[in-house]
Amino acid sequence: DVKVTQSSRYLVKRTGEKVFLECVQDMDHENMFWYRQDPGLGLRLIYFSYDVKMKEKGDIPEGYSVSREKKERFSLILESASTNQTSMYLCASSLAGGQGTQYFGPGTRLLVL
Amino acid sequence: AQTVTQSQPEMSVQEAETVTLSCTYDTSESNYYLFWYKQPPSRQMILVIRQEAYKQQNATENRFSVNFQKAAKSFSLKISDSQLGDTAMYFCASPNFGNEKLTFGTGTRLTIIP
Repeated sequence: DVKVTQSSRYLVKRTGEKVFLECVQDMDHENMFWYRQDPGLGLRLIYFSYDVKMKEKGDIPEGYSVSREKKERFSLILESASTNQTSMYLCASSLAGGQGTQYFGPGTRLLVL
Repeated sequence: AQTVTQSQPEMSVQEAETVTLSCTYDTSESNYYLFWYKQPPSRQMILVIRQEAYKQQNATENRFSVNFQKAAKSFSLKISDSQLGDTAMYFCASPNFGNEKLTFGTGTRLTIIP
């Protein structure tokens, strides 16, 4: 059974803090993704990684960075959290090759005060 | 930019009825896959159904089927005999630049009324 896990379901941080969100997949997928989900806006891609140490900016990368040191693990970093980064963050993974089916983690609901 | 449009922000139907959720997309890919995902309240996003664009036959998965109109770039989801467990947000997704990434619509919140 495919599995994508995220380090926290709920997180409360203060403005200016550095925040780490971790995602782990056990399917040996090449591709991993970080999305932000906001009401009325759907899912917006923050960053995409297609291999270890490889990354591409998505549609809304500002204020975020990522790290992929191992194939199964993809981290999202908020260097200095701001209140407008309060949101639901979803991680996903997929096989390379363009068939596209993405498997999602349970999400992390982040509140920045 | 690739766009996916779901024109129905919210829908509600009675249990056991049939409901259709609409989606239009814009892609420059010639061979691609389209997806419907479901996100139940406070639960994980899961794949409902997938359509391969080069296949003329519409995909079906039990009570879920699609109406795929390639020329019109339309990809609607039909749910037959709706059940309370179908209550969820539904997202349509199409490929984005090379098929490795997806663009998602803004979602349709579907409520099944007992």
